[in-house]
Amino acid sequence: GNSVTQMEGPVTLSEEAFLTINCTYTATGYPSLFWYVQYPGEGLQLLLKATKADDKGSNKGFEATYRKETTSFHLEKGSVQVSDSAVYFCALSSPVQMRFGAGTRLTVKP
Amino acid sequence: GAGVSQSPRYKVAKRGQDVALRCDPISGHVSLFWYQQALGQGPEFLTYFQNEAQLDKSGLPSDRFFAERPEGSVSTLKIQRTQQEDSAVYLCASSSARTATTEAFFGQGTRLTVV
Repeated sequence: GNSVTQMEGPVTLSEEAFLTINCTYTATGYPSLFWYVQYPGEGLQLLLKATKADDKGSNKGFEATYRKETTSFHLEKGSVQVSDSAVYFCALSSPVQMRFGAGTRLTVKP
Repeated sequence: GAGVSQSPRYKVAKRGQDVALRCDPISGHVSLFWYQQALGQGPEFLTYFQNEAQLDKSGLPSDRFFAERPEGSVSTLKIQRTQQEDSAVYLCASSSARTATTEAFFGQGTRLTVV
């Protein structure tokens, strides 16, 4: 069945460091891929998405590219800020179900 | 309202009690999803509605779990005879699309603790 595996955390970085959170998936067909973020005390919010191979999703300085050949959708940001501290979830969609990874907690220190 | 609203935000139930969790989706959204999120884990799919029709309930963990959306808007997730393993955050999400291929908007969840 469809599944998502993402890098285990927690991840702790200094401000302005480069961020990569790895995500790989297993799926039949051509799912859409997402990154959701959960800030402390808030609900899940869509960060970015990509709907087909080679698409790049981007938002708030974060980027992820849908790589069909490596079945990956790694999240990157060139310079993290303290305000990026949150839990990040990689997800894929089958027609009606969305499958989430276990989440990666990111803490950015000043 | 502007977003997905869930109530109550917190619920403590004694083992064996029945509970009902409410979700008010974004007005006009066709699709409604329920997820269960255990501590430190990602959300796990429970069930999906398209308008009032429950098209997928394959994620419901047992027959103690029941969901409905009788008029195609508000939805209720009911758990009968709660057990400790039911303790989790229950998330509701809605979408304007008929599939999960576009953005789903999530509520803040109901944290259920079974004691």
